Amino acid sequence: DIQMTQSPSSLSASVGDRVTITCRASQSISSYLNWYQQKPGKAPKVLIYAASSLQSGVPSRFSGSGSGADFTLTISSLQPEDFATYYCQQSYGTTRTFGGGTKVEIK
Amino acid sequence: EVQLVESGGGLVQPGGSLRLSCAASGFTFSSYWMQWVRQAPGKGLVWVSRIKSDESTASYADSVKGRFTISRDNAKDTLYLQMNSLRAEDTAVYYCAREGYSSGWYEIDSWGQGTLVTVSS
Repeated sequence: DIQMTQSPSSLSASVGDRVTITCRASQSISSYLNWYQQKPGKAPKVLIYAASSLQSGVPSRFSGSGSGADFTLTISSLQPEDFATYYCQQSYGTTRTFGGGTKVEIK
Repeated sequence: EVQLVESGGGLVQPGGSLRLSCAASGFTFSSYWMQWVRQAPGKGLVWVSRIKSDESTASYADSVKGRFTISRDNAKDTLYLQMNSLRAEDTAVYYCAREGYSSGWYEIDSWGQGTLVTVSS
């Protein structure tokens, strides 16, 4: 099975900061990579699909990049509502795998 | 509006069985792949299983293979997860999720509210 490794597992940042989260796959997955945001007590929601496509309704401060095995989620200017946990997920082949998550906390 | 409503969670002893259901509404259920995703208390998301729109293909995480079975009834717009030989490490909130398809790309675009399964003696 494809393993997904996210880093860092947590980070502290201030409102207005630029934040970058990385995700590495154990093999090439082309651009079959999605990013989700989850807030406490809530179901996740998709932010980015196909590595770099912004889901409808998601603010443009979120962006994704990468292909093959290395991917990045960037928040260009962190807002108060962005403090949450972020997960990558591969959608290559018949199975799916999530990364371990990155918790973004207030500095 | 897309709605996914899970039910069937609860407390079960190790080695026991439980069947989860997910009632779908607001979309053409028979046209979508569906998934189960779980999250242990305070932990991350873990993919469990996935089933094709016509039930012809299903896949599982290694941790549940041989113990869990995913199925669906398109006439009833309902997704199921039969869980056998349950272990303490299966304790989690189980989410039902719809897998959207956009120009060749798959992503989870709708989630249920989750149902808690607790495996304990």
